[in-house]
Amino acid sequence: GAGVSQSPSNKVTEKGKDVELRCDPISGHTALYWYRQRLGQGLEFLIYFQGNSAPDKSGLPSDRFSAERTGESVSTLTIQRTQQEDSAVYLCASSLQRGNTYEQYFGPGTRLTVT
Amino acid sequence: KNQVEQSPQSLIILEGKNCTLQCNYTVSPFSNLRWYKQDTGRGPVSLTIMTFSENTKSNGRYTATLDADTKQSSLHITASQLSDSASYICVVGSGGATNKLIFGTGTLLAVQP
Repeated sequence: GAGVSQSPSNKVTEKGKDVELRCDPISGHTALYWYRQRLGQGLEFLIYFQGNSAPDKSGLPSDRFSAERTGESVSTLTIQRTQQEDSAVYLCASSLQRGNTYEQYFGPGTRLTVT
Repeated sequence: KNQVEQSPQSLIILEGKNCTLQCNYTVSPFSNLRWYKQDTGRGPVSLTIMTFSENTKSNGRYTATLDADTKQSSLHITASQLSDSASYICVVGSGGATNKLIFGTGTLLAVQP
């Protein structure tokens, strides 16, 4: 029943490798968000999905980052050729609909460490 | 530039005491202001959300205030408990269809017995 789930919870990878992070939103939530939280910093917006389309990708830091969503459900954030500065916690959130007053429910995050 | 600043960065209080956390923002257009609690290793959980016309909102022992004129907010915690130890994050919704949120860096609160 649950809330937003993310996997894996922790990922350690070598510099230059590709990684995929998964988010399972709350069932029925049409809006899905990805954020990055670096140590000691606030969450940074990465990308927003409405259904399966991404009307706002403005936060993706480089073309090494991409995301997709299928079935208006699961979303995958892919980071290609990882760099050490990609090390962070990646958080996913979902909300019932887009709009300023809808609550965003967060998953527990995936902690990515690039060595 | 849209920014949310919080103070203090960290705070230690004794169990049972009250405390107040501060938030200043420069976000335009402003839509709403939220306070989240983030336990270590967990995602943020919403405590309160206030729109432009609301001055105060309570959620149990948590009371948030908003002064839209001075662009300041505070979160007051009453009769603190050990379980209140967490990071408290002030978040401003910037308006528009995306519902983009601008996050502060948080105040790390430690409640000691």
